[in-house]
Amino acid sequence: NAGVTQTPKFRVLKTGQSMTLLCAQDMNHEYMYWYRQDPGMGLRLIHYSVGEGTTAKGEVPDGYNVSRLKKQNFLLGLESAAPSQTSVYFCASSALDRAEEQYFGPGTRLTVT
Amino acid sequence: LAKTTQPISMDSYEGQEVNITCSHNNIATNDYITWYQQFPSQGPRFIIQGYKTKVTNEVASLFIPADRKSSTLSLPRVSLSDTAVYYCLVGDWDNYGQNFVFGPGTRLSVLP
Repeated sequence: NAGVTQTPKFRVLKTGQSMTLLCAQDMNHEYMYWYRQDPGMGLRLIHYSVGEGTTAKGEVPDGYNVSRLKKQNFLLGLESAAPSQTSVYFCASSALDRAEEQYFGPGTRLTVT
Repeated sequence: LAKTTQPISMDSYEGQEVNITCSHNNIATNDYITWYQQFPSQGPRFIIQGYKTKVTNEVASLFIPADRKSSTLSLPRVSLSDTAVYYCLVGDWDNYGQNFVFGPGTRLSVLP
């Protein structure tokens, strides 16, 4: 039982490049989330999903897109990376009846130059 | 959205009890109070949740007064490994948790 895993762990992009971050969970959770955390700050919700095939915007969705084609996976895409998207990205999941208890992945450290 | 206010940082010594208070003056009737812990270079980890009075688990206790406008996370006999950032969140988790804000949290430093 790996919990929540994220791929890759580190990435450096040039401005304008695109990439996809992959999140996978093996706990059969309904809900999945993508957050970003900037230095010394709390986490901000980018997008979330309440089930396979559904996605919704969080607090800071601009510049990102997401997809949840399979229940266990939640993808975060950056179509045209900008330096302002330099951050640590965390994925999380939670069960239908325990939404408050989110399980977080180890994070992806992204630098956009 | 219920806004929360916590101290930015706290220091403690090993073996002491630590109490971190969170203010949430505009908490709504359906809102729960949830606390998370985050170690450096890791994602946050759920600690405890409560609605009113007192909740205790193997890690911490959560005290909520009758007016629910504040809450206190209590960590008994802290050790060096409790050095982390602690976040207080307030909201209605039945709403999928999409509107929850992890503020800057309280940075707890446990000294030997």
